[in-house]
Amino acid sequence: DGGITQSPKYLFRKEGQNVTLSCEQNLNHDAMYWYRQDPGQGLRLIYYSQIVNDFQKGDIAEGYSVSREKKESFPLTVTSAQKNPTAFYLCASRITGVGQPQHFGDGTRLSIL
Amino acid sequence: AQTVTQSQPEMSVQEAETVTLSCTYDTSESNYYLFWYKQPPSRQMILVIRQEAYKQQNATENRFSVNFQKAAKSFSLKISDSQLGDTAMYFCAFKNSGGGGADGLTFGKGTHLIIQP
Repeated sequence: DGGITQSPKYLFRKEGQNVTLSCEQNLNHDAMYWYRQDPGQGLRLIYYSQIVNDFQKGDIAEGYSVSREKKESFPLTVTSAQKNPTAFYLCASRITGVGQPQHFGDGTRLSIL
Repeated sequence: AQTVTQSQPEMSVQEAETVTLSCTYDTSESNYYLFWYKQPPSRQMILVIRQEAYKQQNATENRFSVNFQKAAKSFSLKISDSQLGDTAMYFCAFKNSGGGGADGLTFGKGTHLIIQP
């Protein structure tokens, strides 16, 4: 079945540590996105990529980094510069075309140890 | 920048009733897209319905329909014959169709809908 796979489901970070969240899709979608969700809040855009080897900052990119070396993969690294990383992280992708909806993975819950 | 406002943090209705969730947005764009997403306790985000701003006809998907009022910048979601499985967070989201700005969706803060048996 086609879909978006995020791993791990739960992740713990120690102070000063970088961690990487995985996002893989087999939908052949060109565009991929990372969102952060905090309690009582909607989703906020961290980074997005419309094509391989290119990505753009979203509204809250500070303390995060991404790469897009393959069409299927868009990993997100939460760096030690992100002082409040505890949140639920959602990856999404969509097919090219204005107005096409985004499809989401099941998310990764990141907590601080 | 666009903003999306959902004024109802939580709503509760009886099973089989009809419920309407409100959403307003602010934009200077003339063409854009609006979405409702559902997030059940599993936390997966599921697309419920999509509306294109240049289409006057309101979108419908089975028991789900929208009331899109472009002049008022309002995009409410109506759920008919509500079911226990409709219990979830519902998010309204906006996407401009222009080339400027970030490519992602702008989300409201959500409405927690509880369907009581």
